[in-house]
Amino acid sequence: AQKVTQAQTEISVVEKEDVTLDCVYETRDTTYYLFWYKQPPSGELVFLIRRNSFDEQNEISGRYSWNFQKSTSSFNFTITASQVVDSAVYFCALIQGRAGNMLTFGGGTRLMVKP
Amino acid sequence: NAGVTQTPKFRVLKTGQSMTLLCAQDMNHEYMYWYRQDPGMGLRLIHYSVGEGTTAKGEVPDGYNVSRLKKQNFLLGLESAAPSQTSVYFCASTGQGFDTEAFFGQGTRLTVV
Repeated sequence: AQKVTQAQTEISVVEKEDVTLDCVYETRDTTYYLFWYKQPPSGELVFLIRRNSFDEQNEISGRYSWNFQKSTSSFNFTITASQVVDSAVYFCALIQGRAGNMLTFGGGTRLMVKP
Repeated sequence: NAGVTQTPKFRVLKTGQSMTLLCAQDMNHEYMYWYRQDPGMGLRLIHYSVGEGTTAKGEVPDGYNVSRLKKQNFLLGLESAAPSQTSVYFCASTGQGFDTEAFFGQGTRLTVV
């Protein structure tokens, strides 16, 4: 079985604050892939990052950074110096590497960045 | 443009009516998925397919059927719509080996009255 938990349902910050969105996953497989997606108010799903289970290097892309820790089964997402345009729902997702598996999403975290 | 296309974008059904949602992808992806998203909630998997001619149940399959007769198309059917099926439906596809992102369609907003 596989499961993704995003314990924070809603976070509110003031512009320029840093914010971390948590993602904890469960899987029996040693090969798996983790994703983050952004869903702005317009409703579409925007891909942010993919990480496979063999690559534990953290990644930084502009104001975004991701911390992947297999030891704690977490794949957390940090936005530095948040902006109003970052307001959205963010989803973490997991797929196990063997054939025939589901792409499973967490419940999402709604981030509100206030000016 | 390459990607995932869902039709229709909006639909209103009466209780008991049937309809089919079409998802088409032109990336030669093996895996395709149908999700529903209810207000304030995450995406829940309805059905998925790992290849042409194959389908499997997800978390919330009841009341839906699917078919994957052609690799590029994944159809989601509602045989007898119910108000509980009012939702936004998303289709997604990924390549074999998951070495690509999951590409999503733009969503279909379905209202059952």
